Amino acid sequence: DQQVKQNSPSLSVQEGRISILNCDYTNSMFDYFLWYKKYPAEGPTFLISISSIKDKNEDGRFTVFLNKSAKHLSLHIVPSQPGDSAVYFCAATNPSISNFGNEKLTFGTGTRLTIIP
Amino acid sequence: KAGVTQTPRYLIKTRGQQVTLSCSPISGHRSVSWYQQTPGQGLQFLFEYFSETQRNKGNFPGRFSGRQFSNSRSEMNVSTLELGDSALYLCASSLEEGRGGYTFGSGTRLTVV
Repeated sequence: DQQVKQNSPSLSVQEGRISILNCDYTNSMFDYFLWYKKYPAEGPTFLISISSIKDKNEDGRFTVFLNKSAKHLSLHIVPSQPGDSAVYFCAATNPSISNFGNEKLTFGTGTRLTIIP
Repeated sequence: KAGVTQTPRYLIKTRGQQVTLSCSPISGHRSVSWYQQTPGQGLQFLFEYFSETQRNKGNFPGRFSGRQFSNSRSEMNVSTLELGDSALYLCASSLEEGRGGYTFGSGTRLTVV
């Protein structure tokens, strides 16, 4: 049962254009969403996150949009650069009854982004 | 400051053997989580430890176990290895309050032959 889905396994975008990576989730209890970027032979690196009380969060070239009614979020990268070529993972968390800070992350299967020079 | 350190980086084991992987979190981080990454499955949560106690566990068989020491270092053990256990095992650490503050190590690539 894949609760977080990234339906596009790969995406190719021209350098300088906008990259849009999509993510859908099924568990309405998820309240915090994160994007990670992963290069080969390295661990995932945290990029940007968004709480369910917001619909947009921006950090430099990266913007995450959340549509709670559609259970959909997207990551926009503008402008795309060759160094952005990597696998991008969407992740989500449930609230913790005990309010500990480190709830488990439920990840999507990833989208491989290739930026074409 | 040093990041999350996982050892060894690569490991080849035979079916039926057992293996122990190690993770040293960022200094000051008290929570350590383990994930398994396989092609087509993404990252699957294994378990999470905080102050030497397992707080969360994913849907993996009992062959997968772990522990955390008083210095927050964690080990993961897989017994009776199966071919399907071949994967990249990732460890992540965070502060107690860290929503989104998860820092991953580079992982241990386990190959079972």
